[in-house]
Amino acid sequence: DAMVIQNPRYQVTQFGKPVTLSCSQTLNHNVMYWYQQKSSQAPKLLFHYYDKDFNNEADTPDNFQSRRPNTSFCFLDIRSPGLGDAAMYLCATSPTGGWAYEQYFGPGTRLTVT
Amino acid sequence: GENVEQHPSTLSVQEGDSAVIKCTYSDSASNYFPWYKQELGKGPQLIIDIRSNVGEKKDQRIAVTLNKTAKHFSLHITETQPEDSAVYFCAASISSTDKLIFGTGTRLQVFP
Repeated sequence: DAMVIQNPRYQVTQFGKPVTLSCSQTLNHNVMYWYQQKSSQAPKLLFHYYDKDFNNEADTPDNFQSRRPNTSFCFLDIRSPGLGDAAMYLCATSPTGGWAYEQYFGPGTRLTVT
Repeated sequence: GENVEQHPSTLSVQEGDSAVIKCTYSDSASNYFPWYKQELGKGPQLIIDIRSNVGEKKDQRIAVTLNKTAKHFSLHITETQPEDSAVYFCAASISSTDKLIFGTGTRLQVFP
């Protein structure tokens, strides 16, 4: 019954070694988001897609990239992870864009950088 | 820029008591206000939301109130239970976008 699925749940990578996190959804929602969350802080939006239209936040480092090959899947690529990138990464979906609707979050991927 | 303030940052209550968490937003055009519950190691779970054309909404033990004039909204949990213990985040929509801005979170502890 999981609606927003994130894999893996835990990821360990080495400093500077590229890593990809994945998100899939069974809700057929138009909008998909990637958030970074550190130490019980509020989730921080990195970027989001409205269908295939990519929207980057102004303060998202170039080190973070994303791909959305189809409605169901979205990937977060961290090209050269630094120690400061260790965090929980949350994927969320929403049924439409241009008007705020409820966002449904996945369980998150906890990234550790060694 | 847009901002959401959330208070208190921590809240401890006895089982059976009520808990209230308050948020203030800055964007007068915000029209959607969700509340999320996040348990340790899990993603945020939407527990209740309210839109700007409604002043109050209730779902069993939880309720949300909205005061648009004062630009604040509150989460009320009655008859708290230990399983209500979690971090709660409020959020407000950013006008004319499909984005939310989150408050800083409240860690609620319910003691048996």
